[in-house]
Amino acid sequence: ELQLEQSGAEVTKPGESLRISCKGSGYNFSNYWITWVRQMPGKGLEWMGKTDPSDSYTNYSPSFQGRVTISSDKSSSTAYLEWSSLKASDTAIYYCARLNQALVHAVDYWGQGTLVTVSS
Amino acid sequence: DIQVTQSPSSLSASVGDKVTITCRASQVISTYMNWYQQKPGRAPKLLIYGAYRLQSGVPARFSGSGSGTDFILTISSLQPEDFAVYYCQQSFSALTFGGGTKVEIK
Repeated sequence: ELQLEQSGAEVTKPGESLRISCKGSGYNFSNYWITWVRQMPGKGLEWMGKTDPSDSYTNYSPSFQGRVTISSDKSSSTAYLEWSSLKASDTAIYYCARLNQALVHAVDYWGQGTLVTVSS
Repeated sequence: DIQVTQSPSSLSASVGDKVTITCRASQVISTYMNWYQQKPGRAPKLLIYGAYRLQSGVPARFSGSGSGTDFILTISSLQPEDFAVYYCQQSFSALTFGGGTKVEIK
């Protein structure tokens, strides 16, 4: 069964660093881009960026460029989303998802989401 | 960047109603428009890709149309399980989501 398994919920303080993960299984992880999507409390979906696990190439939304780091490790079939200095406004659910080029780059599988809470 | 404007932001409808949701892209995107459904506490689910192609397993009461800049998601006969938030997304250049449409029970 194809799955994207995300790491568990995090509670952190402003200024701290954090990395969350997304492990793919049930398919060839290198063959599909992984994208990250933010959903702030009670709000809509925001595209953050994407990574190609085959060569680690990464592309960011201008809104998130410089604020987060997206990476992937094809050897462990895992993608990552990382912050160096969190803010309270980073509190949100973060989804990883698989982009399917055969479906005109639609997202066909999603992780369960990781809730990140940033509070002093 | 390509912007996507979705309307309405919310609507109230009854079971059996026909529902339409529209999205407009800020530039021509051919048929690179996708539609998702999200229920509370759940990840989004792909309904339509490539403007009109029904994702496997999605009921046929969902359909999509449009090309260029204007796109429509239609639910032909609303069912109780269809009350949710719907998002469009362009995938022509990077990705952009519309603001969402909440479909509520009248």
